[in-house]
Amino acid sequence: DGGITQSPKYLFRKEGQNVTLSCEQNLNHDAMYWYRQDPGQGLRLIYYSQIVNDFQKGDIAEGYSVSREKKESFPLTVTSAQKNPTAFYLCASSITMGGGANVLTFGAGSRLTVL
Amino acid sequence: DQQVKQNSPSLSVQEGRISILNCDYTNSMFDYFLWYKKYPAEGPTFLISISSIKDKNEDGRFTVFLNKSAKHLSLHIVPSQPGDSAVYFCAASDSSYKLIFGSGTRLLVRP
Repeated sequence: DGGITQSPKYLFRKEGQNVTLSCEQNLNHDAMYWYRQDPGQGLRLIYYSQIVNDFQKGDIAEGYSVSREKKESFPLTVTSAQKNPTAFYLCASSITMGGGANVLTFGAGSRLTVL
Repeated sequence: DQQVKQNSPSLSVQEGRISILNCDYTNSMFDYFLWYKKYPAEGPTFLISISSIKDKNEDGRFTVFLNKSAKHLSLHIVPSQPGDSAVYFCAASDSSYKLIFGSGTRLLVRP
C-alpha cells in the first residue's frame, strides 16, 4: 500500500540534544512538507520541498533543519536551538505544487517530548 | 496574524442532524480551500476541497460552501454520524501552493 511512514511514533529527548524524525513516502510525490501541531494552534509549516536537493523555510523554521537527498525521503532534525520542541510533528507529501487544489497526504505523526 | 481562522473550538450535535463547521480567512489571494479530518494520534485525512471560483462543492454527506465576499466557508455534514467525531481543519492555499491551516474544530456527534 502506498503511503507515508513516519518514525519513531514517540520520542523522548533531553534538553540540548538534537533529534531526527524520519519521513518516507512511496507515493512518488514530488513535494514534501513538515508541519507541527500544538494544542489550539492548528498545523504550522516548518519546511517544505518541491524537488530533490531543494527546500524552503516555512513559517516556523527556526531551530529545525531538513534535507532532501532522495525523492522519497525528507528527514527533519529538531536541534537544541528549538526553544519549545515538544509537539506533534506531521510529515506530508503531494503530487505537485501546481495545478488545482494542493491535496496533501499526511503520515501518522511523531510525538516528541523534551524531558 | 492568523490568515485562516476557525473560531469555534468545539461543536456537539445529535446523530442524524446537520453539523456545520465554519472557517474565515483574510487573504483574498487564496485560490483553493480544503477541509481535513483528524483523529487523535493520527495524521489528517483529506475530505473535500473547493476552488475560489465556485461557491459550492458536494461529495456524499459533505458539502462545502464558499462566500468570497464575506471571506467565509463552511462544511456541512448531513446526516451526522458518530464516526464523524474528530477534529476538522480548514486549510487554504494561494499561488505558493503552501497550505495554511486553521486551529481546528472538535466535532462530537452524540448517539
